[in-house]
Amino acid sequence: DVKVTQSSRYLVKRTGEKVFLECVQDMDHENMFWYRQDPGLGLRLIYFSYDVKMKEKGDIPEGYSVSREKKERFSLILESASTNQTSMYLCASSPLGEDRVGPSGNTIYFGEGSWLTVV
Amino acid sequence: AQTVTQSQPEMSVQEAETVTLSCTYDTSESNYYLFWYKQPPSRQMILVIRQEAYKQQNATENRFSVNFQKAAKSFSLKISDSQLGDTAMYFCAFIMNAGGTSYGKLTFGQGTILTVHP
Repeated sequence: DVKVTQSSRYLVKRTGEKVFLECVQDMDHENMFWYRQDPGLGLRLIYFSYDVKMKEKGDIPEGYSVSREKKERFSLILESASTNQTSMYLCASSPLGEDRVGPSGNTIYFGEGSWLTVV
Repeated sequence: AQTVTQSQPEMSVQEAETVTLSCTYDTSESNYYLFWYKQPPSRQMILVIRQEAYKQQNATENRFSVNFQKAAKSFSLKISDSQLGDTAMYFCAFIMNAGGTSYGKLTFGQGTILTVHP
């Protein structure tokens, strides 16, 4: 089974702190994503990466940065946490190319989410 | 840019009955995929069903089926014989064909909270 692991499920940080959210996948997927989930807004893409050291902005990148030094690991960084970044963060990964879709027809695999509260 | 809209923030249904969740989307692409994901209280996203835009036949997975109207850009999910375990948030999602430059990026709707009552 594909596994996407987010190391921290629940975090409480203070305003201005630097926050790291880590995500690791074990299926050698090229693509990795960070989404933010808020009530009434669904999931919004923050950043994604399609290769090591490659990154692209999603729909809401402001206030965030990312790092992908190894293929299996994709980190989301909040340089100076603010209260409006209190949210649930979901990491995901997917293989490049439709010929690598899994037997279930799935193209993207999600972690269990990280709840971040900034006080 | 693609947008996905779910206009029903909350829905409820009695156990064993049928419920339909609505989703509309907007895109200029012709080759894409649509998904319904389920997110139970555990927050783990679970793929419910997938539809390829080039297929006219509506996808079906056991009690779950879709009504895909490409011209109308509508993609509704029908859950038959609802079970208590179907209680969850449901997300409609869109992805361009990965042969393009989508890199597997999913665009999600706002979500619909479904509650199944005993």
